[in-house]
Amino acid sequence: EAQVTQNPRYLITVTGKKLTVTCSQNMNHEYMSWYRQDPGLGLRQIYYSMNVEVTDKGDVPEGYKVSRKEKRNFPLILESPSPNQTSLYFCASRIQGSTEAFFGQGTRLTVV
Amino acid sequence: KQEVTQIPAALSVPEGENLVLNCSFTDSAIYNLQWFRQDPGKGLTSLLLIQSSQREQTSGRLNASLDKSSGRSTLYIAASQPGDSATYLCAVCGDTGFQKLVFGTGTRLLVSP
Repeated sequence: EAQVTQNPRYLITVTGKKLTVTCSQNMNHEYMSWYRQDPGLGLRQIYYSMNVEVTDKGDVPEGYKVSRKEKRNFPLILESPSPNQTSLYFCASRIQGSTEAFFGQGTRLTVV
Repeated sequence: KQEVTQIPAALSVPEGENLVLNCSFTDSAIYNLQWFRQDPGKGLTSLLLIQSSQREQTSGRLNASLDKSSGRSTLYIAASQPGDSATYLCAVCGDTGFQKLVFGTGTRLLVSP
């Protein structure tokens, strides 16, 4: 089944403790991206990647890092999480040449 | 900067009603517009994608229209069912670079039996 898989689905952590949210797609998509969703603000793009080793900032990149060492994986790294990063996170992918995006099931992160 | 607005923010209807969800965007330079459904704990599901050159797309009981020049799209749901209860999001893709989708804040729909 074609899908975008995020892990974990739910995470509660403490301020300053580094964490990684993984994202994997099995559709051989070149393009992957991360969004966060907050009440009243909708989904906003954090980072995106056009292909392996090619990443760039989205609209709200502060406090986040990403890497794209393999085509299928695009982890989101929070080096020192803060409470304002409490949010619902979505990973998305699409094939090059198409703008139809496929989304993962989301990761609900709470930073206390 | 592209801004997407969805009205109403919430909508409650009895089963069987036809309904319209609205989406407006400020910059008409879009490549396409996509409607998503969001269910709690289940991520986003793509419903319809309309290219900027198209006026509408249909899938089953869903019909989405696009008026690019006026910056508006509507999602029409015919004969609504309780299973249609979800949050509906529209998102536009700009016509340069295709780097990101700009989302509205959604319409939360409740269809009661």
